[in-house]
Amino acid sequence: AQTVTQSQPEMSVQEAETVTLSCTYDTSESDYYLFWYKQPPSRQMILVIRQEAYKQQNATENRFSVNFQKAAKSFSLKISDSQLGDAAMYFCPHNDMRFGAGTRLTVKP
Amino acid sequence: KAGVTQTPRYLIKTRGQQVTLSCSPISGHRSVSWYQQTPGQGLQFLFEYFSETQRNKGNFPGRFSGRQFSNSRSEMNVSTLELGDSALYLCASSLGISETATYNEQFFGPGTRLTVL
Repeated sequence: AQTVTQSQPEMSVQEAETVTLSCTYDTSESDYYLFWYKQPPSRQMILVIRQEAYKQQNATENRFSVNFQKAAKSFSLKISDSQLGDAAMYFCPHNDMRFGAGTRLTVKP
Repeated sequence: KAGVTQTPRYLIKTRGQQVTLSCSPISGHRSVSWYQQTPGQGLQFLFEYFSETQRNKGNFPGRFSGRQFSNSRSEMNVSTLELGDSALYLCASSLGISETATYNEQFFGPGTRLTVL
C-alpha cells in the first residue's frame, strides 16, 4: 500500500519567520503527483501547492515552496514570511488519496 | 461557480441507527471522494466515485457504502452506527479526468459532523 508520513504532529513558528513541514511517502509508481493541502480551523480544506513527479523543478506559489527529493521520497513544504492566517492543519497526500494524520501549524504573533 | 455542498452539516444519531450523507459537487466535476476525519486518525479515504461507478475504495468495513447519481451528486451511507463512527465526513470533487482523482485538484466541502451517542 502507498503511504504518507508526516513526522511532525505539531509545529510552531513566529510570525514573519520561515517554517518547513516534512512529508515522506512510499510509492512504486514512476509518475505521480504530490500535494499540500491546508485546513484552517473550522474552515474548508484548500490546495496550497502541487508537484508533478516528472518535473525536476520545485513548485512555488508565492510564499509557499516545496523541496521535492524524488530519490529520497521526500516532499517538504516551506512557508516564508509566516502569517497568522497560515495557522492550520497541513496534509500532503499522494495521488492515491491517502492523506495521513497531518501537521498542525501554530503561528505566534 | 458554487462550491461543494454537503448536507446536513450536523447530525446526531444513536448506536445501531443508519445515516445517509449527501454531497453535491462543483458543476462539471465528475469525481466525488469521501473522507472520514477524526482527531486520532487524521483524514482517511473512504471511496471515490466517477461516472456513477466506485473507482477506488479505502480500508473501511462494508457498513460504509456510497453511490453516485447521473448528475454526479453522491450519497454516503453508514449502517449500524458505532460510537467510533463519530467524525467529520468530508466530500471532495474533482474533474476526474485521469484514472485517479487526485491527479486533479480536489475541492472540499465543509463536511458533515456526525455524532453517535
